[in-house]
Amino acid sequence: AQSVAQPEDQVNVAEGNPLTVKCTYSVSGNPYLFWYVQYPNRGLQFLLKYITGDNLVKGSYGFEAEFNKSQTSFHLKKPSALVSDSALYFCAVRVLTNTDKLIFGTGTRLQVFP
Amino acid sequence: EAGVAQSPRYKIIEKRQSVAFWCNPISGHATLYWYQQILGQGPKLLIQFQNNGVVDDSQLPKDRFSAERLKGVDSTLKIQPAKLEDSAVYLCASSSMGVSSYEQYFGPGTRLTVT
Repeated sequence: AQSVAQPEDQVNVAEGNPLTVKCTYSVSGNPYLFWYVQYPNRGLQFLLKYITGDNLVKGSYGFEAEFNKSQTSFHLKKPSALVSDSALYFCAVRVLTNTDKLIFGTGTRLQVFP
Repeated sequence: EAGVAQSPRYKIIEKRQSVAFWCNPISGHATLYWYQQILGQGPKLLIQFQNNGVVDDSQLPKDRFSAERLKGVDSTLKIQPAKLEDSAVYLCASSSMGVSSYEQYFGPGTRLTVT
């Protein structure tokens, strides 16, 4: 069965420091991987995706993610965290079968302290 | 470009009552999804429409949940009767058709509280 794991419920980082939010996946076939961010009382906003090609993917707001096939991981990173980055982050995988539904992880709350 | 619209934003009902949620997807998006997001969990797909046809409703509790997309645009999700465990945020999302349409665009959600 396809699944996504986000092993950390919360990540705390000081403003200006680099941040990493971890994600691992388990799928049959080639994974299409996504990161979404959710601010309070808002819907999910798309950050970035990996479909094929370069393993390092750049997205919105200075975020990037690295696809590692051997480790089945897709960690989200940012070189310098901002307080405004504080939010709930979801990793998701999409496998193209007869449907294209997203399977989400449980989310990681990122807290950036001034 | 207008985003995905949902209403109401919040709803409080008692158990055994019924409730309906409305979604208007991004113009031109053929695929529409309803997700349920329980507090502390990631969103879970309830039902997926392609135009006005159902593609996947395998995780929809069909004894109490129903959804329709009659004209291939707007959609409604209904719960009747509601249970306490239905308390969640209901998210609507849309995407354009085809395997090249990778991103799903989400609405703000409807927060349902069942008391």
